[in-house]
Amino acid sequence: GAGVSQTPSNKVTEKGKYVELRCDPISGHTALYWYRQSLGQGPEFLIYFQGTGAADDSGLPNDRFFAVRPEGSVSTLKIQRTERGDSAVYLCASSLTGTSTGELFFGEGSRLTVL
Amino acid sequence: SQQGEEDPQALSIQEGENATMNCSYKTSINNLQWYRQNSGRGLVHLILIRSNEREKHSGRLRVTLDTSKKSSSLLITASRAADTASYFCATAGGGGSEKLVFGKGTKLTVNP
Repeated sequence: GAGVSQTPSNKVTEKGKYVELRCDPISGHTALYWYRQSLGQGPEFLIYFQGTGAADDSGLPNDRFFAVRPEGSVSTLKIQRTERGDSAVYLCASSLTGTSTGELFFGEGSRLTVL
Repeated sequence: SQQGEEDPQALSIQEGENATMNCSYKTSINNLQWYRQNSGRGLVHLILIRSNEREKHSGRLRVTLDTSKKSSSLLITASRAADTASYFCATAGGGGSEKLVFGKGTKLTVNP
């Protein structure tokens, strides 16, 4: 597609359940980022992939969060044993050149609500 | 944690007026970027200014950067109702880090 695609757009789950959020970046973009945005706040960095490898996962809040990008294109953010505090909009972005020289292209986000 | 801090947190103006938003940050940067977010949507990149640049223009947007004060400003001239959105500054630290650190944003309302 022309832009970054994220699915689902909305996910409601119960506390303790497992959730997967998917990101399909712009074709040819080797850099992929996950951010989390809480209400009234700016996006907070979670993890950055260059190709298939997670080059920087310093923003993942704890070991319940994990992300993969097995073929260097689509990425999945996985959240185990969800907690109410995980409720937020999860944003994916991709870039051709990286943040040191270029912009990020964001998807519309996946809104996660944990009841 | 978020590095950029925008002010004001909210700004309401009339169509045709200029809107100025400010951003301060704490550590050295490679570049600073401004993004716009319509309610409930993804972020859209507006402009990037490098640490060795002082001013940059793009259409009705003017961005300044003062690295000695660790601050930036975004000016939108001749605002339109369609400019209503939240605006975020984000800093790229460089040095091999790809992390883009966002501020909390300024919510701009342009009244017709």
